[in-house]
Amino acid sequence: AQTVTQSQPEMSVQEAETVTLSCTYDTSESNYYLFWYKQPPSRQMILVIRQEAYKQQNATENRFSVNFQKAAKSFSLKISDSQLGDTAMYFCAFFPSGNTGKLIFGQGTTLQVKP
Amino acid sequence: EPEVTQTPSHQVTQMGQEVILRCVPISNHLYFYWYRQILGQKVEFLVSFYNNEISEKSEIFDDQFSVERPDGSNFTLKIRSTKLEDSAMYFCASLLTAHPGFTGELFFGEGSRLTVL
Repeated sequence: AQTVTQSQPEMSVQEAETVTLSCTYDTSESNYYLFWYKQPPSRQMILVIRQEAYKQQNATENRFSVNFQKAAKSFSLKISDSQLGDTAMYFCAFFPSGNTGKLIFGQGTTLQVKP
Repeated sequence: EPEVTQTPSHQVTQMGQEVILRCVPISNHLYFYWYRQILGQKVEFLVSFYNNEISEKSEIFDDQFSVERPDGSNFTLKIRSTKLEDSAMYFCASLLTAHPGFTGELFFGEGSRLTVL
């Protein structure tokens, strides 16, 4: 069974600094999808960034980028120039290959951006 | 932009009462989900639904839970006799399964917060 592990329950960063959130996963599949979702205090689930496993190039979305290490089954999220609005819970998630299945979430990392 | 809508946003109920949470998935999506999140904890899969039947369900989704798609648009989660531990945020999500255009991305509603007293 696939699993997703986020080993950092809480992190903090100073505004304008860079922070990296860790995520590892376990799967026997060769193709799959990985995601980072942001959950602010409103508790809405907001997609931050997506990575397809067959693409070697790391995904980037403005200040957000990932370090995807397929062999190590690692998928970390880097937030550059942190802003107060980045304060939220961040979930790493895995979706298996094919076009059906379920999204599997990690435990989440609470990020506090300090002024 | 198309979105998943959920109602109610917050419901307070007494233990033992029945609750129905409603969702309107994105119109051309074919796969639907319910997830649950107890405050401050991880997001847990409850059930997936495809072609008018349950595709997969978790251990949490016991006989107290049921889902249906009564018409072409709504997707509901019913809890027959609520318990205190059912207090949580319930998220509906939908997935576009057709190729091309498949991204694996689930589109989430804003959630329905259930408080059981």
